[in-house]
Amino acid sequence: DIVMTQSPDSLAVSLGERATINCKSSQSVLYSSNKKNYLAWYQQKPGQPPKLLIYWASTRESGVPDRFSGSGSGTDFTLTISSLQAEDVAVYYCQQYFSPMCSFGQGTKLEIK
Amino acid sequence: QVQLAVSGGGVVQPGRSLRLSCAASAFTFSSYAMHWVRQAPGKGLEWVALISYDSSNKNYADSVKGRFTISRDNSKNTLYLQMNSLRAEDTAVYYCAKDRSTSYDAFDIWGQGTMVTVSS
Repeated sequence: DIVMTQSPDSLAVSLGERATINCKSSQSVLYSSNKKNYLAWYQQKPGQPPKLLIYWASTRESGVPDRFSGSGSGTDFTLTISSLQAEDVAVYYCQQYFSPMCSFGQGTKLEIK
Repeated sequence: QVQLAVSGGGVVQPGRSLRLSCAASAFTFSSYAMHWVRQAPGKGLEWVALISYDSSNKNYADSVKGRFTISRDNSKNTLYLQMNSLRAEDTAVYYCAKDRSTSYDAFDIWGQGTMVTVSS
C-alpha cells in the first residue's frame, strides 16, 4: 500500500502571504509510460465534502483560482497558495491514485495568523 | 448539474447491516468508475472501495474487506455500499465520489455524505 504523509499537520499564515503544504508518498506515483504523476490535492471546509483543486500533480481543476498551484514529481509534492485569502481556511489533503486502492494524506489544517 | 445524492445512513447496532445508496445525475454514470470514501468524526479521509464502470473490477480497503460490498446498477444510475458486521470504528460520514475521467483518475464530484453511527 502507498502511504501518503503530509507536512505540516497545521499551518497559520497571514492574509496575503504564501502558504506551502508538502506531501510525500512511500513510493513513486509517476507512471513511466505517460510521464504523469497520479497525485491530487483537495480542499475541505467544515461540513462540506472535499473539493478537487489539482490533479496530475500540477493541473488546476476548472474554476479553481490561479493562486493555487501544485508541483513536484515522483514521491515529493507541494501545494502552494500564493496569496492567502480568508476563504482558503480549510483542511487540505493530498491523494495518490497511482494504485486503484488510492490513499490520502492525513490532512493539513490551514488557518489565518 | 452533475450531482451525487447519498442516502441510507443512520444509527445501527454493532454487528448489524446497512446499505448506502448514491444516486447520480447529469452525467453518463455507466462510463465512470466510482468510489466510497469515509471520514470518522474529526478525522481525515479514508478510501473505502472502488468499482469499475462495468462492475468487472472491485477493490476494498483492508479495514472493510470481507464485510463491505460495493455494487452499482447502471440502469438506475445508482451506486451502493452494503455494510455488514458493522463495528464502532465504522462510524463515519460516507461519501461517494466519481472519477474525473473514464480512466482511473482524481475524484471531481463528491456527494454530500451520509452519517453512519454504529452504537449499542
